[in-house]
Amino acid sequence: NAGVTQTPKFRVLKTGQSMTLLCAQDMNHEYMYWYRQDPGMGLRLIHYSVGEGTTAKGEVPDGYNVSRLKKQNFLLGLESAAPSQTSVYFCASSYGQGTVPQHFGDGTRLSIL
Amino acid sequence: GESVGLHLPTLSVQEGDNSIINCAYSNSASDYFIWYKQESGKGPQFIIDIRSNMDKRQGQRVTVLLNKTVKHLSLQIAATQPGDSAVYFCAEKNDMRFGAGTRLTVKP
Repeated sequence: NAGVTQTPKFRVLKTGQSMTLLCAQDMNHEYMYWYRQDPGMGLRLIHYSVGEGTTAKGEVPDGYNVSRLKKQNFLLGLESAAPSQTSVYFCASSYGQGTVPQHFGDGTRLSIL
Repeated sequence: GESVGLHLPTLSVQEGDNSIINCAYSNSASDYFIWYKQESGKGPQFIIDIRSNMDKRQGQRVTVLLNKTVKHLSLQIAATQPGDSAVYFCAEKNDMRFGAGTRLTVKP
């Protein structure tokens, strides 16, 4: 049982490039989330999904898009990366207890030059 | 909007002592809370949760206390060990915001 798996673990991009962060969970959870974590600022919610085919904006959604085509996967896209998006990105999931995540991946460290 | 927050950014304790990490919340309707532990280089890990119909819940070496009157909860770690060194976050149901957390350092 892998839990929440994020790929890649590290990535360096140039400003303006695009990429997709992948998140997969094998717990049959309904809810999935994408957070970013910056030094001294804690976790901030980017987007979340309460089920397959649904997505919603979180606290800091600008510059990101998401898709939940399959229940087990939640993709986070950066269409045109900016240095301000340098961060550690965490995916999380929960079976549906409110909107508080219960299981986190180990993060993707993204640097935008 | 409503949010949860932590009282202190850092806490240093001696190995073997008990640790207490505090958290305040503002939404009096909050009914479910979770504590997380985040070790360096890893994602947050669920530690323990508590519902508002309880004042106290115990796990293995951890206890969460909930005081609804003053909207405060605390995480107590008994016999703190070096492996407990991490950042601890609290979160509330329906609150999508986390504070910066409290960094617990355990001195040998």
